[in-house]
Amino acid sequence: AQSVTQLDSQVPVFEEAPVELRCNYSSSVSVYLFWYVQYPNQGLQLLLKYLSGSTLVKGINGFEAEFNKSQTSFHLRKPSVHISDTAEYFCAVSAHNTDKLIFGTGTRLQVFP
Amino acid sequence: NAGVMQNPRHLVRRRGQEARLRCSPMKGHSHVYWYRQLPEEGLKFMVYLQKENIIDESGMPKERFSAEFPKEGPSILRIQQVVRGDSAAYFCASSSGANQETQYFGPGTRLLVL
Repeated sequence: AQSVTQLDSQVPVFEEAPVELRCNYSSSVSVYLFWYVQYPNQGLQLLLKYLSGSTLVKGINGFEAEFNKSQTSFHLRKPSVHISDTAEYFCAVSAHNTDKLIFGTGTRLQVFP
Repeated sequence: NAGVMQNPRHLVRRRGQEARLRCSPMKGHSHVYWYRQLPEEGLKFMVYLQKENIIDESGMPKERFSAEFPKEGPSILRIQQVVRGDSAAYFCASSSGANQETQYFGPGTRLLVL
């Protein structure tokens, strides 16, 4: 079975500051990794995903994430956030032999002016 | 190209009533997934369907919940005899079914049980 841990339930940050949202996972098999963003009262939108290859993945809206197999982490980063980045961010994994996504509990990013 | 559509967006039911949630996948997608998001929690997988087949229902409660994806029409998540604990946001996602193809999510149906 797989599980995902997002240790930070809330991350407050000022506009134009860098941000890192942490994600750790556990799995006995190889996994694919995803970050989704959820704006208020909306569905989830894919930011980026890691399937294979380069461990540094670039996504939409200036976000990137790095897969670290030894630390079982997939932290999300952005060098300079905007007010519009205020949202809930979910890390998710899926095992290679299944399509179902296992989500973390989410991190609420609040960007202040 | 319309995205994943869900209706209704909001649904209010009294305890004991039935709730029917509909999901129309993106055009060309034949795989549908249902997830439930309880307040202040992440999404939990419920069921994965292809046209006319349930592929994985490991996340579905054993009683009162059922799902279908008929040959024609939307996928339906049905909750019989709803209880207050069923209050949640229910999200549908669809994909083309290719290996690890991205799942595209709908806006969700927010169910409130009074």
